[in-house]
Amino acid sequence: KAGVTQTPRYLIKTRGQQVTLSCSPISGHRSVSWYQQTPGQGLQFLFEYFSETQRNKGNFPGRFSGRQFSNSRSEMNVSTLELGDSALYLCASSTILDSPLHFGNGTRLTVT
Amino acid sequence: DQQVKQNSPSLSVQEGRISILNCDYTNSMFDYFLWYKKYPAEGPTFLISISSIKDKNEDGRFTVFLNKSAKHLSLHIVPSQPGDSAVYFCAASEDQAGTALIFGKGTTLSVSS
Repeated sequence: KAGVTQTPRYLIKTRGQQVTLSCSPISGHRSVSWYQQTPGQGLQFLFEYFSETQRNKGNFPGRFSGRQFSNSRSEMNVSTLELGDSALYLCASSTILDSPLHFGNGTRLTVT
Repeated sequence: DQQVKQNSPSLSVQEGRISILNCDYTNSMFDYFLWYKKYPAEGPTFLISISSIKDKNEDGRFTVFLNKSAKHLSLHIVPSQPGDSAVYFCAASEDQAGTALIFGKGTTLSVSS
């Protein structure tokens, strides 16, 4: 069974631009979550989607948004990029509501 | 304010000995606790979890202990193997679905042969 797939693996963007990251969950997983990892703040929860609906949201500005499609694939978007948005963005998926999260290998975003 | 704290940034252990990784939390609403392991350039991998109604859960070489009164949990790895060398993250959630995980900042475990 294929794991969680995130594309692209690496991205370099300029401050002020916007970026879209993609995540394909494990087949059959309907819940998709996004996390940001930085050296200073560690792993922080961004948002979680289940059946195309955002169920939970972390403490991030509105520049961070996401969506989930009917096939459970998810995208997250960051608008008006800031230098501090440089991070590893991790997507995770799960099956039923009480299963552990399975993480992808992340997208490394660098904002210059 | 960190709700989940891993106060030891690193731990070194010899192969075959026990590794004990510790985690403290402040939020009494946390209902579900997990440990993840992370290798460089990979996403975190789930290791073991425990519900707040239990005080111990075992899975092979890994055992997690939960002390709710002390708001403390620990991960025991016995025996430790060189392949266990990685960063270990403690995480907690207010619901059994394990969504919106709050992570500690991790402990780097080095197991020498």
